[in-house]
Amino acid sequence: EAGVAQSPRYKIIEKRQSVAFWCNPISGHATLYWYQQILGQGPKLLIQFQNNGVVDDSQLPKDRFSAERLKGVDSTLKIQPAKLEDSAVYLCASSPPLPGELFFGEGSRLTVL
Amino acid sequence: KQEVTQIPAALSVPEGENLVLNCSFTDSAIYNLQWFRQDPGKGLTSLLLIQSSQREQTSGRLNASLDKSSGRSTLYIAASQPGDSATYLCAPRNAGNMLTFGGGTRLMVKP
Repeated sequence: EAGVAQSPRYKIIEKRQSVAFWCNPISGHATLYWYQQILGQGPKLLIQFQNNGVVDDSQLPKDRFSAERLKGVDSTLKIQPAKLEDSAVYLCASSPPLPGELFFGEGSRLTVL
Repeated sequence: KQEVTQIPAALSVPEGENLVLNCSFTDSAIYNLQWFRQDPGKGLTSLLLIQSSQREQTSGRLNASLDKSSGRSTLYIAASQPGDSATYLCAPRNAGNMLTFGGGTRLMVKP
């Protein structure tokens, strides 16, 4: 079974530039998550989708971050404009309905200079 | 709002020791709890999933316990090996299918 796919794995940009990350969840998983993990900390939920609807985006900085999940499968997370403090690993995860496990991708590491 | 604390934040032990990693959470209304391992520069790998109705779950040298009413979970690693060196994260999950993570325990097992 294929896992959660993410791209790009690494991205370096200047502040105020924009960046987009892509995620392809495990086939059949209705729930998709984006987490932000700053070095030395645990992951923090940015947004949770159920199919193509948003379940929770309370911690998403909506002035600069946006996310969409078209057709309830792939998802894209965009940052525009980027700030220095956005340097982090962006992790995508997917899960089947409860009580199934969450599975994570390898993450996309963003460095903002 | 769920808050998760993991103690200790870092641990360095010689090979062969038995280890206990602690996780506490403030909201006991959880559906299940997952323990993950994270190697440097990598994503999270699921180790164990304990349902709220279970007391413990075992996989090889790993044993996780859950005391839902007191908001605690423990990960026990038997006969630690250098390959166990990683960050271990616990994450309780609520009925809305949302996971909240602790800060993790960074484990170093020395040969």
